[in-house]
Amino acid sequence: EPEVTQTPSHQVTQMGQEVILRCVPISNHLYFYWYRQILGQKVEFLVSFYNNEISEKSEIFDDQFSVERPDGSNFTLKIRSTKLEDSAMYFCASSLWTGGTEAFFGQGTRLTVV
Amino acid sequence: AQSVSQHNHHVILSEAASLELGCNYSYGGTVNLFWYVQYPGQHLQLLLKYFSGDPLVKGIKGFEAEFIKSKFSFNLRKPSVQWSDTAEYFCAVNFKAAGNKLTFGGGTRVLVKP
Repeated sequence: EPEVTQTPSHQVTQMGQEVILRCVPISNHLYFYWYRQILGQKVEFLVSFYNNEISEKSEIFDDQFSVERPDGSNFTLKIRSTKLEDSAMYFCASSLWTGGTEAFFGQGTRLTVV
Repeated sequence: AQSVSQHNHHVILSEAASLELGCNYSYGGTVNLFWYVQYPGQHLQLLLKYFSGDPLVKGIKGFEAEFIKSKFSFNLRKPSVQWSDTAEYFCAVNFKAAGNKLTFGGGTRVLVKP
């Protein structure tokens, strides 16, 4: 069964450093998403991406965040200057169409900012 | 803002017991409804979904959910749980007027004792 894969599974970084979280969505999917879950809190939407541009973003997704689909297979989330409060589990997801179809999620990357 | 609530944070029950997890969402017009499950160490997996039609939806692994529009609810049920149902369960809603993102409930950790 096709699946969304994320790397790394766990990343530890120093405050102020840049991190890039990587995702390989399911190959024929058209919509891509990043969500995050801070420990003990709800899974929160960050951004959705379609046709090589951001289609929707939340208030959390400020100028420190960016997304890219550099090569037609990978989908990356970059945090330019990490803060302690960026520590969370980051989930990538993809779907064939928009919200009317299910999103398939990756296993997540646990980001720890120290 | 649209929101999703799951009433139980933790549920502990014995094998063969029946399970019902509550999910309510705020009014937001037309919705698509989902239940995801996350087994320990694994990614979020779709259990079932509701878009339209019969409000009683059957999913994988013997789970079902009932959409009650008047109550803004989408409760998950399983008549007889197994130890392997130990997991965290997430209700998620796509409020179609708000785009294609999912809004998640807080999750319910279910522990099934053998």
